[in-house]
Amino acid sequence: KQEVTQIPAALSVPEGENLVLNCSFTDSAIYNLQWFRQDPGKGLTSLLLIQSSQREQTSGRLNASLDKSSGRSTLYIAASQPGDSATYLCAVIGNTPLVFGKGTRLSVIA
Amino acid sequence: DTGVSQDPRHKITKRGQNVTFRCDPISEHNRLYWYRQTLGQGPEFLTYFQNEAQLEKSRLLSNRFSAERPKGSFSTLEIQRTEQGDSAMYLCASSLGTRTEQYFGPGTRLTVT
Repeated sequence: KQEVTQIPAALSVPEGENLVLNCSFTDSAIYNLQWFRQDPGKGLTSLLLIQSSQREQTSGRLNASLDKSSGRSTLYIAASQPGDSATYLCAVIGNTPLVFGKGTRLSVIA
Repeated sequence: DTGVSQDPRHKITKRGQNVTFRCDPISEHNRLYWYRQTLGQGPEFLTYFQNEAQLEKSRLLSNRFSAERPKGSFSTLEIQRTEQGDSAMYLCASSLGTRTEQYFGPGTRLTVT
C-alpha cells in the first residue's frame, strides 16, 4: 500500500527566505507526482506535475524535483512571500488514484 | 471554462438525514474523482468515473454512500443516514485521461450535528 509522508508538518520562515518542502513515498512504481497548494477552508490548487520520466519541473519561483528510485520529491520555493502562506500537499499516482501526504503548513512572516 | 465547480459549498445537516452533493467537472475532462478530507489530513480517495462508468471505489465508501455520473458530465455524491463521522470536506476533481494532472473544485464542507 502506497504511503506518502511530508516533512516538516509545519514551517515558519521570514519573508525572502528560500525553503524546501520534502515528500517521500514508499512504492516507487508511480506514474506521476503532483504538488498542490491549499488555503484554509478551500479546495486544492495544482502547482506542478512531474511525470515519472522527469527529474524536475519549474513554474515561476517554484521548482519541484523527483527521485523516483529513492522515493523522494522536493518542492523548492525561492524568495518566499507572505502570500505563499498555505498548506502544501504532495500526491502520487500509481496503480490507484492520487495518494496524498498530510501536507506541510507554511507560514511566511513579513 | 471556469474550472471544477461544486454545490453546495457548505451543508449542515442533522444526523440521520440524507444529503446530496453535485460536481461539475471541466467540460472536456472524461475522468471525475471524489475525495474526502478531514481536518489536518490529506484528501482520501473515495471513487472515480471514466465518462459514466464508475471504475473504482475505496473501502472508505460504505454502503451509505453512492455516486453517479449519469451522462458522463456532472456527478452526484449521496450520503444516506448521515453520521457525525461523515463531517468532512468533500472534494471533486477532474482530469483529461489517465494519470494526468487533476484539477480540484472548491469542495463541499459537510457538518453533521
